[in-house]
Amino acid sequence: DAGVIQSPRHEVTEMGQEVTLRCKPISGHDYLFWYRQTMMRGLELLIYFNNNVPIDDSGMPEDRFSAKMPNASFSTLKIQPSEPRDSAVYFCASSLIGSGGTGELFFGEGSRLTVL
Amino acid sequence: TQLLEQSPQFLSIQEGENLTVYCNSSSVFSSLQWYRQEPGEGPVLLVTVVTGGEVKKLKRLTFQFGDARKDSSLHITAAQPGDTGLYLCAGIDRGSTLGRLYFGRGTQLTVWP
Repeated sequence: DAGVIQSPRHEVTEMGQEVTLRCKPISGHDYLFWYRQTMMRGLELLIYFNNNVPIDDSGMPEDRFSAKMPNASFSTLKIQPSEPRDSAVYFCASSLIGSGGTGELFFGEGSRLTVL
Repeated sequence: TQLLEQSPQFLSIQEGENLTVYCNSSSVFSSLQWYRQEPGEGPVLLVTVVTGGEVKKLKRLTFQFGDARKDSSLHITAAQPGDTGLYLCAGIDRGSTLGRLYFGRGTQLTVWP
């Protein structure tokens, strides 16, 4: 079975540009999470969805960040405009928590973003 | 403020040595998970502990959940180079919304041959 698929794997952009990161969760999972990982702050939860509905976006740094989940098989994280301090690895993860799921998070391979 | 504190932050040992890493909090967790992350990849779940005092073994890895469900430890016996990676603990806060998982910053383990 395919795991969580993220794209792009690497993105280098200039300050001020729009960045869109994409995620395809595991089919049948009811939760989707966006995390950001840096050396300084570790893994930070940005936002998570339950059945495509945003539940907690308190981790989104500021209005420059937005996330959508238009359907059960696709989510995007957008940064507009991007800044150098946004440089990090962004992970998408999905989980089955309802219907007797274990709550295990399945992570994608991450999108490494570098903003110059 | 980090809800989960992991120690040590870095650990570098020789093959064959034993080690213990810790995950501590002032909060009570309904369950706690341990993940391992290798370079260029996402974290992968090793184990979930749910009951206070619970001990789980996964080959050479032993996981323990504190009696008060505020802390956990991971002990590795006879470490091997393949154990190298970032070990992350993650807890579901008893008082938080379902699905809200808090991660520690991790322990970076390097095992030299």
